[in-house]
Amino acid sequence: EIALTQSPATLSLSPGERATLSCRASQSVGSYLAWYQQKPGQAPRLLIFDTSNRATGIPARFSGSGSGTDFTLSITSLEPEDFALYYCQQHSHWPTFGPGTKVEIK
Amino acid sequence: QLQLQESGPGLVKSSETLSLTCTVSGGSISSDSYYWGWIRQSPGKGLEWIGTFRFSGTTYYKPSLNGRVTISVDTSQNLFSLRVTSVTAADTAVYYCARHPAVARGTNYRAPSFAVDHWGRGTLVTVSP
Repeated sequence: EIALTQSPATLSLSPGERATLSCRASQSVGSYLAWYQQKPGQAPRLLIFDTSNRATGIPARFSGSGSGTDFTLSITSLEPEDFALYYCQQHSHWPTFGPGTKVEIK
Repeated sequence: QLQLQESGPGLVKSSETLSLTCTVSGGSISSDSYYWGWIRQSPGKGLEWIGTFRFSGTTYYKPSLNGRVTISVDTSQNLFSLRVTSVTAADTAVYYCARHPAVARGTNYRAPSFAVDHWGRGTLVTVSP
């Protein structure tokens, strides 16, 4: 099973700032990496699939990059609704999720 | 508008069988373009894929759960179900049903993408001693 680690565990930022979230895989997953956002009491929401493709309806301020074992989710200018938990998921082998990064208001 | 709704008992006794149903509206589970499946989330294990299927008959289960998990389909009612046998406290979680696209990968022109574009709201299942 491929293990994913995410850093940092918590990111404290202000609205309007840029957020950079990292995800590292225990072995190469090619470009098969997705990102989800989850808010309390809700199901996750797909943001990015295949490393850099935005899902339907996702604003352009969300972008993904990387390949192999190292991936990044960037949010160019944080909106109030972006403060949430973010998970990466590899979908190269049997899918696994990272433990999450919490983006909180500073 | 596609909607998925989980239903089933919220409390199951240890060693018994967990059974959940996902009712789909606004879309057909018979579509050849999508896979459907189950994901669970617990404080201890985080998010975890359980299994997925496509109407054509292709079904995949998480390797470490194989033997305890069964996904079945009722196309007449447009729903699918999950059974997990011999449950323990480790099976306590919020269970989500989900949809993800079938994509072309290598020689498989209908491979599961596992990039979930629609989720149910989730249902909490607690395993009691």
